[in-house]
Amino acid sequence: AQKITQTQPGMFVQEKEAVTLDCTYDTSDPSYGLFWYKQPSSGEMIFLIYQGSYDQQNATEGRYSLNFQKARKSANLVISASQLGDSAMYFCAMRVRQGGSYIPTFGRGTSLIVHP
Amino acid sequence: GAVVSQHPSWVICKSGTSVKIECRSLDFQATTMFWYRQFPKQSLMLMATSNEGSKATYEQGVEKDKFLINHASLTLSTLTVTSAHPEDSSFYICSPSRVMNTEAFFGQGTRLTVV
Repeated sequence: AQKITQTQPGMFVQEKEAVTLDCTYDTSDPSYGLFWYKQPSSGEMIFLIYQGSYDQQNATEGRYSLNFQKARKSANLVISASQLGDSAMYFCAMRVRQGGSYIPTFGRGTSLIVHP
Repeated sequence: GAVVSQHPSWVICKSGTSVKIECRSLDFQATTMFWYRQFPKQSLMLMATSNEGSKATYEQGVEKDKFLINHASLTLSTLTVTSAHPEDSSFYICSPSRVMNTEAFFGQGTRLTVV
């Protein structure tokens, strides 16, 4: 079975500092994708970054980077130079093939608060 | 990213009535549609997966007769909550998908309140 674990229910960071949100995963499928999403209080899910299991390099998207350590099955999100608008829930998700579909599984989420 | 339209964004209904939520993928053809439910301060829980033209596959514990899913076309899927009860109050989110997407797209979500 697939599983995503986010052990930090809440994180605080000061504006302009960097923060790392932890995510570990478990799957026996060698082909999978890892995602991070941001969910502000409005509820919309905002895609941040993607890492494929066969990607050799860590994914980066602007201030977001994914620290992918395959042997440790971890996919931590690093947000550099935090901004007040980064305050939100952050979900790590994994997608593996089940039957004919790629089914996503979400972690419990981490609430990030950026303070001035 | 793709454009996904989900509506209504919020709805209040009386207990015992039915509510239909629509999800449209406006600029791509979604072969698969995922429907999620999210309770306050919790994660997204997959309710069902539907492939265009086929019956939906429901996750364990989700009543298929209560949550009717129709995925009649590659751009439209609907979720109907039948005979709604207060415990059905939740945030419902659709996610249209194509095989091997490197990004999952989501609708804006529908906040359902049953009174």
